[in-house]
Amino acid sequence: QKEVEQNSGPLSVPEGAIASLNCTYSDRGSQSFFWYRQYSGKSPELIMFIYSNGDKEDGRFTAQLNKASQYVSLLIRDSQPSDSATYLCAVRVSGGSYIPTFGRGTSLIVHP
Amino acid sequence: DAGITQSPRHKVTETGTPVTLRCHQTENHRYMYWYRQDPGHGLRLIHYSYGVKDTDKGEVSDGYSVSRSKTEDFLLTLESATSSQTSVYFCAISEDRGNYGYTFGSGTRLTVV
Repeated sequence: QKEVEQNSGPLSVPEGAIASLNCTYSDRGSQSFFWYRQYSGKSPELIMFIYSNGDKEDGRFTAQLNKASQYVSLLIRDSQPSDSATYLCAVRVSGGSYIPTFGRGTSLIVHP
Repeated sequence: DAGITQSPRHKVTETGTPVTLRCHQTENHRYMYWYRQDPGHGLRLIHYSYGVKDTDKGEVSDGYSVSRSKTEDFLLTLESATSSQTSVYFCAISEDRGNYGYTFGSGTRLTVV
C-alpha cells in the first residue's frame, strides 16, 4: 500500500516569510513527485514536479527531495496572501502503474 | 481550465437514478482520469483511460462505469446514484503517462439526495 502523508494544517505564516510544506511517502521506489495548489472551491493546479535525481527551483517555489528520510518539501519564499491555498503532494513510483498517489493536502494561510 | 471542460458544473439528483458526467478535452491527450475529492480523503482515482476504448479501474471504482468512444470525451456514469457518491468529481488529462503532471478540469459538484 503506497502511502503519502501530509499534515493537514493549517500552516499559518506571515506575509514575506518562507512557508515550508512537507510530504512523506512510504514507497522507496518513488521516482516522481508533484506539487499542486488548490484554492478553495477550485480545481488542483500543477505548481511543479521533480524527479528523484534532484531538486528544482521555479521563481519563489523550490521543491526538495530527501530520499533517505523519504519526504519531499515545497518551500515558498516571500509568501503572499495569494499563496493561501491547499497544497497537494502526489508521488509516483517507477515501473508498474504510472498512477500517482495523492496526499490529502496541507492548508496554508499567509496573513498580512 | 485550458483545453478541458466538465459538465455539468453542479447537479442534484435522487438516490437510485443514473447520472452521467462528461469530460471534454481539446488537447488531444491520450490519458484521461476521473477523481473524486471528499473531505478527509483527498483525491481518489475512480477510473482512467489510456486511449479510445481503453479504460481501467482506480481505487474507488465500485458503482461507477466509464466510456471513451472518442479521444476528446471521457464519460463517468453512476448507474444508480447513492448518497455516498455525493462528492466533487474532477477530470484530469495528461499527454503522456503523467510524467509532467496532470491538468484538471473545473470539477462537478454532485449531490445525491
